[in-house]
Amino acid sequence: GAVVSQHPSWVICKSGTSVKIECRSLDFQATTMFWYRQFPKQSLMLMATSNEGSKATYEQGVEKDKFLINHASLTLSTLTVTSAHPEDSSFYICSAIGQGRQNTEAFFGQGTRLTVV
Amino acid sequence: DAKTTQPPSMDCAEGRAANLPCNHSTISGNEYVYWYRQIHSQGPQYIIHGLKNNETNEMASLIITEDRKSSTLILPHATLRDTAVYYCIVSATAQKLVFGQGTRLTINP
Repeated sequence: GAVVSQHPSWVICKSGTSVKIECRSLDFQATTMFWYRQFPKQSLMLMATSNEGSKATYEQGVEKDKFLINHASLTLSTLTVTSAHPEDSSFYICSAIGQGRQNTEAFFGQGTRLTVV
Repeated sequence: DAKTTQPPSMDCAEGRAANLPCNHSTISGNEYVYWYRQIHSQGPQYIIHGLKNNETNEMASLIITEDRKSSTLILPHATLRDTAVYYCIVSATAQKLVFGQGTRLTINP
């Protein structure tokens, strides 16, 4: 299957700082990418949908000014957690769908574990 | 998107077939059944998907009932590396997949 890579795999940051997470589709062009968050022992929760060249669409309850998403190219989307606080500590996962493949599988990155201290 | 119901946990002996059920009684005619799994601290991995016909690939088989209200994922020869949380998702597209709680499958030696 296609490869989606996230960077970094884990990050520790101080409270109040911002952290950027990258999601790259390595061998296909992704018109749409999705960002999820997963707390311990819970399922994945969709945060936002990122379309190349346009503003992201956020799910209800997700603060768009806190979780900045940029999808500047067909192979890269970034999630920036601004002014991070300990409650933002979580496992962040992205997924991507290739052009013309909306009815097939979505490919997921390996996830980024964020710890805010 | 339609909701799914899965048992919270299952055990299976190594080498045996693991059969994971999923109920999706409110599935719409244009919705697919997707299966993903998540091994601890990793991103979800696609397994298989289908609309109404049974499907098989190198990882698993998907059996969908004729009325499409339920399905079963079959791992024919489970190994210890198949221990994971398995998610059954129904959706018209692979976009915006909504994950439930899944089934935590434990393969025992």
